[in-house]
Amino acid sequence: QSALAQPASVSGSPGQSITISCTGTSSDVGAYNFVSWYQHLPDKAPKLIIYEVSHRPSGVPDRFSASKSGITASLTISGLQTEDEAHYYCSSFTTSKLYVFGSGTKVTVL
Amino acid sequence: EVQMVESGGGLVQPGGSLRLSCAASGFTFSADYLHWVRQAPGKGLQYVSSISGDGTATFYADSVRGRFTISKDNSKNTLYLQMGSLRVEDMAVYYCARQYCSGSSCYTGAFESWGQGTMVTVSS
Repeated sequence: QSALAQPASVSGSPGQSITISCTGTSSDVGAYNFVSWYQHLPDKAPKLIIYEVSHRPSGVPDRFSASKSGITASLTISGLQTEDEAHYYCSSFTTSKLYVFGSGTKVTVL
Repeated sequence: EVQMVESGGGLVQPGGSLRLSCAASGFTFSADYLHWVRQAPGKGLQYVSSISGDGTATFYADSVRGRFTISKDNSKNTLYLQMGSLRVEDMAVYYCARQYCSGSSCYTGAFESWGQGTMVTVSS
């Protein structure tokens, strides 16, 4: 199972909005609404920020939003803050009843 | 508070074996799906394996199927990953994670409550 495709890096200034794409196939992202997003800070455990395409766990700021269209999911961070600087990964359930992660995107706050 | 604490990592030669453990607390261990995810140095997250709450259903990434075995001891609230025929490409930080559940609902594909990870080094 190949990793879902994400841009290697995305950057923005504080207060701006950025969007990270996550492109899969009809066997994963396109097959189910089981797409999640994770924030991973250095030397920290990954943190779930979005589940089932667009839902936020409690405690995750509403600056984080997400959607899906066809085989591409997207994560948008609005009102970018310095503490948002991290790696972000998407993941999807697959038709093989397994999971696949994205290649990861490094978000830099300028 | 949910806690997941991995242990058992270390240095092993190619072809060797290692057993990772993940001690869990703060939730009904026998109810939820649990997962192993790894991250090789300088690389992204990679799914490894999952197990159902009662331990009867197990799932493996193609890259580890036949070499790794996931299991759990519900009496000890501990998740395991028995790794065999280790390869250099298995070298990674291994994380355990719990399926995200809120109230009476659990959500497929949502990995919550990750541990801090345990490093597995495969080298001669």
